[in-house]
Amino acid sequence: EAQVTQNPRYLITVTGKKLTVTCSQNMNHEYMSWYRQDPGLGLRQIYYSMNVEVTDKGDVPEGYKVSRKEKRNFPLILESPSPNQTSLYFCASSPLDSPLHFGNGTRLTVT
Amino acid sequence: QKEVEQNSGPLSVPEGAIASLNCTYSDRGSQSFFWYRQYSGKSPELIMFIYSNGDKEDGRFTAQLNKASQYVSLLIRDSQPSDSATYLCAVKPNNNDMRFGAGTRLTVKP
Repeated sequence: EAQVTQNPRYLITVTGKKLTVTCSQNMNHEYMSWYRQDPGLGLRQIYYSMNVEVTDKGDVPEGYKVSRKEKRNFPLILESPSPNQTSLYFCASSPLDSPLHFGNGTRLTVT
Repeated sequence: QKEVEQNSGPLSVPEGAIASLNCTYSDRGSQSFFWYRQYSGKSPELIMFIYSNGDKEDGRFTAQLNKASQYVSLLIRDSQPSDSATYLCAVKPNNNDMRFGAGTRLTVKP
């Protein structure tokens, strides 16, 4: 089944404890992206990648890192999470010039 | 000015009515336009998309583009309670980077 898989679905952590949210797609898509969604603010892009080893900042990259060492994987890394990073996170992928396919989301709480 | 703007709603329509959702975009060079539906706590799912060359109809859904005024609309005919969700408008400027509006919450009352 074609899909974008995010893990974990739910995560509660404490301030400053490094964490990684994984994202994997099995559709050989070139484009991958991370969004965070907060009430009233819609989907805001964190980072995106057009292909392997190519990543770019989105609108809200501060406090996040990404890597794209393989085409299928695009992990999101929070080196030192803070409470303002509590949010619902979505990974998405697509072929270039095509609609995005979204993962099921990761609800992160930082205390 | 936000790149993609939507009225947050809520928009309430009775069952069987036409729901009309709109969004405006700022990048005049945008080439493709998308409507996603998102149920609470779930991921966005694509309803339909159009390119700058025309409108599209798919079942009860119609997406229309007005390039001169830079707005995109989604019409839902014969609205059903199951259509109650938040509808996200998204636009792709030439650089392939998708920009989202904040969404319009639609409620269809039985």
